Amino acid sequence: DTAVSQTPKYLVTQMGNDKSIKCEQNLGHDTMYWYKQDSKKFLKIMFSYNNKELIINETVPNRFSPKSPDKAHLNLHINSLELGDSAVYFCASSPGESYGYTFGSGTRLTVV
Amino acid sequence: KNEVEQSPQNLTAQEGEFITINCSYSVGISALHWLQQHPGGGIVSLFMLSSGKKKHGRLIATINIQEKHSSLHITASHPRDSAVYICAVRRGATNKLIFGTGTLLAVQP
Repeated sequence: DTAVSQTPKYLVTQMGNDKSIKCEQNLGHDTMYWYKQDSKKFLKIMFSYNNKELIINETVPNRFSPKSPDKAHLNLHINSLELGDSAVYFCASSPGESYGYTFGSGTRLTVV
Repeated sequence: KNEVEQSPQNLTAQEGEFITINCSYSVGISALHWLQQHPGGGIVSLFMLSSGKKKHGRLIATINIQEKHSSLHITASHPRDSAVYICAVRRGATNKLIFGTGTLLAVQP
């Protein structure tokens, strides 16, 4: 199936731990994104990569580090997890500016 | 104040009704997107607009660039249309999306 796939779908972890969320797209898109949806369902851009290069880096704590080994993958690593990091994280991809977006199904991160 | 405002925040309709969701924005944009988030959480891209009007099935999206306003219409609404509808604008060449707070639509049979 052609899609944007994220793993894991659910992640429960303790404060202070380090965790990673993986994202892969097989759509051949050049641009990939990470978005955070908070408890009020508000979405906000975190990072954007175009062909493995970082192009958007919003005011996200340094504990969040995206890594793009190739243009089909954009992983999100989070160090020293905090309670406030609990949210749903969505990966998305797009062929470019003049096109729409395809979203992954989201990863619900709960920090306890 | 958010750069993208949607109204209403919550909307309950009876099956078959015509529904309108509004989006106003205060920044210069290169495109506007309408997204649908199902109760299960998945997000689907419905429309991308830079001018005029687009139609897909029972969904119609319009945009007025001068007034910085867009509307999403649903004709002959159905309970399966129940979802959160999100307006998002793309600013300039960065391809950065700024999201509205969403409209929670419940269509009752």
